[in-house]
Amino acid sequence: KQEVTQIPAALSVPEGENLVLNCSFTDSAIYNLQWFRQDPGKGLTSLLLIQSSQREQTSGRLNASLDKSSGRSTLYIAASQPGDSATYLCAVHGGANNLFFGTGTRLTVIP
Amino acid sequence: NAGVMQNPRHLVRRRGQEARLRCSPMKGHSHVYWYRQLPEEGLKFMVYLQKENIIDESGMPKERFSAEFPKEGPSILRIQQVVRGDSAAYFCASSPPSTGSNTEAFFGQGTRLTVV
Repeated sequence: KQEVTQIPAALSVPEGENLVLNCSFTDSAIYNLQWFRQDPGKGLTSLLLIQSSQREQTSGRLNASLDKSSGRSTLYIAASQPGDSATYLCAVHGGANNLFFGTGTRLTVIP
Repeated sequence: NAGVMQNPRHLVRRRGQEARLRCSPMKGHSHVYWYRQLPEEGLKFMVYLQKENIIDESGMPKERFSAEFPKEGPSILRIQQVVRGDSAAYFCASSPPSTGSNTEAFFGQGTRLTVV
């Protein structure tokens, strides 16, 4: 059964710093991997989708990488802003009919 | 193009009552998924539906929970005889008919169920 782990569970950085969030998964047979953002009491916003054949995806200040063989993905956020404060969720689509989620990294960017 | 719409956003039920959660997928999407997020836990898959069919309900509790996605209208997640442990955020996601590595799931804002 697929298990997804996110480290660290919480992260606090000063504004302007670059940061990396980590995601690992146990079964490398995946369709794709999605990174989401969740604000307190809100829904999930899709940030980036990396297909199994891709190594990375970029959107603005966000860059996500995927290393299927080692079961790892990273989300890089450049020049962090207070508005980036949220919980970031990694989810793996394993070919079954659903996504397997990590428990998230709670990011706080301090002005 | 409206996103995935869920209602109500907040629902309070007394123990023993029924809870009905609704989800309208994005336009053009025919696949609907329900997830549950317990306090301080990650999202857990419950059920996957297409129009008039339950495809995978491996994550659904065996009793009191049911889901449907009729030919017309929203998908419904029904919880009968709710208990305090059912208190959680319930999220719906939808995706287009094609499935493959580029299939992206879009989520609604969730329904926060509180059982008192």
